[in-house]
Amino acid sequence: KNQVEQSPQSLIILEGKNCTLQCNYTVSPFSNLRWYKQDTGRGPVSLTIMTFSENTKSNGRYTATLDADTKQSSLHITASQLSDSASYICVVSATGGGNKLTFGTGTQLKVEL
Amino acid sequence: DTGVSQDPRHKITKRGQNVTFRCDPISEHNRLYWYRQTLGQGPEFLTYFQNEAQLEKSRLLSDRFSAERPKGSFSTLEIQRTEQGDSAMYLCASSTHGQESEAFFGQGTRLTVV
Repeated sequence: KNQVEQSPQSLIILEGKNCTLQCNYTVSPFSNLRWYKQDTGRGPVSLTIMTFSENTKSNGRYTATLDADTKQSSLHITASQLSDSASYICVVSATGGGNKLTFGTGTQLKVEL
Repeated sequence: DTGVSQDPRHKITKRGQNVTFRCDPISEHNRLYWYRQTLGQGPEFLTYFQNEAQLEKSRLLSDRFSAERPKGSFSTLEIQRTEQGDSAMYLCASSTHGQESEAFFGQGTRLTVV
């Protein structure tokens, strides 16, 4: 069964600090992995996409890594801001099947003053 | 606004009633997805369309649920004889064809069954 697990479940950090979120997956055959940010009451918005051959990709203060051998990904947020408070969801797509996405349960991040 | 649009944003209904939600995808997107999200969980796949054809349905989509995309543009999701367990956020997403195409999500319809 295709599964995506994320840790930690929730995280509280002070503004300006860095943090790293983890994602482990068992989706096969692997196509790509995206990190989405979901603000409360809104739909998810894609931050980064990683394909099999990519190890690191950055989008502003967000840096995603992928280890396709161990089936792990991380999302590193630098110099956190209050607006980073949201749920961060790891989403893995398998080849074939119409781009069906398997979602993790998300990490709820809260950035405080 | 050229994003994915969902209507209504919120729906409160009594148990046993039927409800219908609408999703208008981004106009050039031929793929449309429905997901359900309960509090504290990630979205769960319900069904997806390529143009007007419904190509896959999750086991989560019981006989009380039906989705249509009659002209390959907007889609509707109907829930008959609603139950309290149907209370959730129903998200619609659309994408173009291709493995790396991004799925763009609407803001969802929050259903509360009382």
